[in-house]
Amino acid sequence: QVHLVQSGAEVKKPGSSVKVSCKTSGGTFSSFSVSWVRQAPGQGLEWMGRTIPILGTTNYAQKFQGRITIIADKSTATAYLDLISLRYEDTAIYYCVYSSAWYGAFDIWGQGTVVTVSS
Amino acid sequence: EIMLTQSPDFQSVSPKENFTITCRASQNIGYDLHWYQQKPGQSPELLIKSASQSMSGVPSRFSGSGSGTDFTLTISSLEAEDAATYFCHQSITLPHTFGQGTKIEIK
Repeated sequence: QVHLVQSGAEVKKPGSSVKVSCKTSGGTFSSFSVSWVRQAPGQGLEWMGRTIPILGTTNYAQKFQGRITIIADKSTATAYLDLISLRYEDTAIYYCVYSSAWYGAFDIWGQGTVVTVSS
Repeated sequence: EIMLTQSPDFQSVSPKENFTITCRASQNIGYDLHWYQQKPGQSPELLIKSASQSMSGVPSRFSGSGSGTDFTLTISSLEAEDAATYFCHQSITLPHTFGQGTKIEIK
């Protein structure tokens, strides 16, 4: 059974950047995909992007192009989300999500990382 | 980008009632539609994948159906523990998108 453990909460100032990690265990890291999904307070779910480590590919939602980087470290089975030029509206819970199929459901969700953007 | 529209947004339901949530896609997505349950303060959990495949451990009162553009999630004989927000999600094409969510309150 795949398990995802994310890094802890962050408080950031507007204009700064944040890096969230997602350590995976219990599966073959390279063969599946890891997406990042965020949820603003009281709001719905928003897909930000994904990586497929075995292919070395990443895809990003157009909304975040230029501000987002997702990387996969196969040596540690860890995925990272980098978001720069933070704005107040980036305040949200950020989830890493595992999919066993590249175009399939989100099978397993991490516990979430709260990112607060505040001056 | 494929839009998913759920209805209703909110419903207060009595225990033991049956309840259906609908999810309509802006274009044909085949069977690539999945349902999640999110309880307050928790991460979403996958209930149903590929329109109708129930995940292991999910109570049998949850069922999904549909294809193309119209999908439903039915909860039979609701229990108090089913109070949550339910989201649909399409994965046929990028970007992945979600419905806006349906919040169920148990009376």
